[in-house]
Amino acid sequence: GQQLNQSPQSMFIQEGEDVSMNCTSSSIFNTWLWYKQDPGEGPVLLIALYKAGELTSNGRLTAQFGITRKDSFLNISASIPSDVGIYFCAGPPYGGATNKLIFGTGTLLAVQP
Amino acid sequence: NAGVTQTPKFRVLKTGQSMTLLCAQDMNHEYMYWYRQDPGMGLRLIHYSVGEGTTAKGEVPDGYNVSRLKKQNFLLGLESAAPSQTSVYFCASRLQGETDTQYFGPGTRLTVL
Repeated sequence: GQQLNQSPQSMFIQEGEDVSMNCTSSSIFNTWLWYKQDPGEGPVLLIALYKAGELTSNGRLTAQFGITRKDSFLNISASIPSDVGIYFCAGPPYGGATNKLIFGTGTLLAVQP
Repeated sequence: NAGVTQTPKFRVLKTGQSMTLLCAQDMNHEYMYWYRQDPGMGLRLIHYSVGEGTTAKGEVPDGYNVSRLKKQNFLLGLESAAPSQTSVYFCASRLQGETDTQYFGPGTRLTVL
């Protein structure tokens, strides 16, 4: 089945640094979603992308829908301690039912104050 | 609004024991999902439901059963627990028209000895 691979697997950064992470697939996605999971909580949707090349921001977060439709990128600027958590990309499988999502393997972010 | 709630939050089982995880949502959502989260593997879909009285298999359904007798509740059952089912289980729900935003519960941490 379709898989979403995220890199890096984990990041340990200092407060104030910028962060970049990406998500890749072997097949096309028509929608890319980025979720964040705070420690001990369930994931929460951050950003949704619907068109190839689209760039969307949510505060200090910016995400891009890759031109090939097989990847997406998430950037966090000027990180703060509350950015700690696991970031997941997700999307409905191409050509499949839109009532399901495939989730990536996640990127764990730790921010040192 | 409580959103999505899960019961219990923690559970320890012995191999072969059975249990039921309860998910409840008060948002009148049609769709409900059960995922399991394992280190390095992201969220994997176990079963889902597109409405009261209907259920369908996800990516990793073996060893689990589900029921959706009421719209607001989605139950996940383990008939004979195995150590491989040690995981964190998340329930999610969404509105029929919103393909992107799934609302997650806080999770249930299950350990099978």
